Amino acid sequence: NAGVTQTPKFRVLKTGQSMTLLCAQDMNHEYMYWYRQDPGMGLRLIHYSVGEGTTAKGEVPDGYNVSRLKKQNFLLGLESAAPSQTSVYFCASRMNMNTEAFFGQGTRLTVV
Amino acid sequence: AQRVTQPEKLLSVFKGAPVELKCNYSYSGSPELFWYVQYSRQRLQLLLRHISRESIKGFTADLNKGETSFHLKKPFAQEEDSAMYYCALSPWGTDKLIFGTGTRLQVFP
Repeated sequence: NAGVTQTPKFRVLKTGQSMTLLCAQDMNHEYMYWYRQDPGMGLRLIHYSVGEGTTAKGEVPDGYNVSRLKKQNFLLGLESAAPSQTSVYFCASRMNMNTEAFFGQGTRLTVV
Repeated sequence: AQRVTQPEKLLSVFKGAPVELKCNYSYSGSPELFWYVQYSRQRLQLLLRHISRESIKGFTADLNKGETSFHLKKPFAQEEDSAMYYCALSPWGTDKLIFGTGTRLQVFP
């Protein structure tokens, strides 16, 4: 089982460039999440989705957009990257709010 | 607002010593609480859930609703327990999964 797969694993962007991070899960999970992990700040929730076609804002949504056109995929977009968005991004999925969340391996993004 | 607080960024102990990683939450309803662990070069993974009341790798955690705490404990730390530990809250009815800032546990030989 692949579980949760994030693409790409590493990326360097210039300020103002755009990019999309892809999260794919093969467990038929309804819930999917995008987090950013920064030193001393833990995992902060950016956006999440509770099913195909739905999205909702988390704690730090500004500067990011998401889409969930297919149940297995959750895309995170940066329209105009800023150095403050340099971080490690994690995707997670779970069946419902009472169950275990499975995480991807992370994407290390550097904005210069 | 729902929040998870882990007051210690770093906890260092010697092998065989007891360990307690603190977690406090702010939420007025019935919480679903979890401990996740991230070992070096590995993915974040579930360690235990309060609802299952189980012991995993010798770790236990008890929900104290009065003190709004969910501290993680182990009586005798092992070197392989060295990792980053996150407490997480799933507030009923919000669908969110909220994490604390994490505590790095270092177990010295």
